Amino acid sequence: ETGVTQSPTHLIKTRGQQVTLRCSSQSGHNTVSWYQQALGQGPQFIFQYYREEENGRGNFPPRFSGLQFPNYSSELNVNALELDDSALYLCASSLGGLSGEQFFGPGTRLTVL
Amino acid sequence: AQSVTQLDSHVSVSEGTPVLLRCNYSSSYSPSLFWYVQHPNKGLQLLLKYTSAATLVKGINGFEAEFKKSETSFHLTKPSAHMSDAAEYFCVVRINAGGTSYGKLTFGQGTILTVHP
Repeated sequence: ETGVTQSPTHLIKTRGQQVTLRCSSQSGHNTVSWYQQALGQGPQFIFQYYREEENGRGNFPPRFSGLQFPNYSSELNVNALELDDSALYLCASSLGGLSGEQFFGPGTRLTVL
Repeated sequence: AQSVTQLDSHVSVSEGTPVLLRCNYSSSYSPSLFWYVQHPNKGLQLLLKYTSAATLVKGINGFEAEFKKSETSFHLTKPSAHMSDAAEYFCVVRINAGGTSYGKLTFGQGTILTVHP
């Protein structure tokens, strides 16, 4: 059974650019959640996708958007990058929407200069 | 809305001594509660979870936590610390009823556990 994987591991962008982060869910899981973890903070919920539809969203602006594909992998897109977007972005997969136990990937470290 | 407060940002213990990481929560609905551990450069790993069954929950690696509704607490304990326990620990709440926050995981700020030889 393959766990949750994320790519890339690290990424450096400049302010104003756009970025796409990718997540492959654990085998058999149909739900993907994304979290932002700023340095020294706990992860904050960005949004969740269940069966290719957004299924809940945290307090993040619309420039944070996502997709889920038929194979349940997912992308997180961030437009117009700001310095405060520098963080570890975590993806978690689960089965059955909002109530399922979430399994986390290792994260993508994004640095915005 | 729900929230989580981890009462200590850093805890330092000697190997072989007990560990206590404190967590208080606030939730308008019946919550599920979790403890996750994060080792450097690794993903979050679930240690244990409370989902309205037994109030004393046993997890992996000898950790356990007790849900106390009257105190709105969910403290994590381990009788004897090991060097490999050094990591950051997160207390997490999830509400299990309707509303815009349904199912969302809310994390505490984290407690960094240091274990001395």
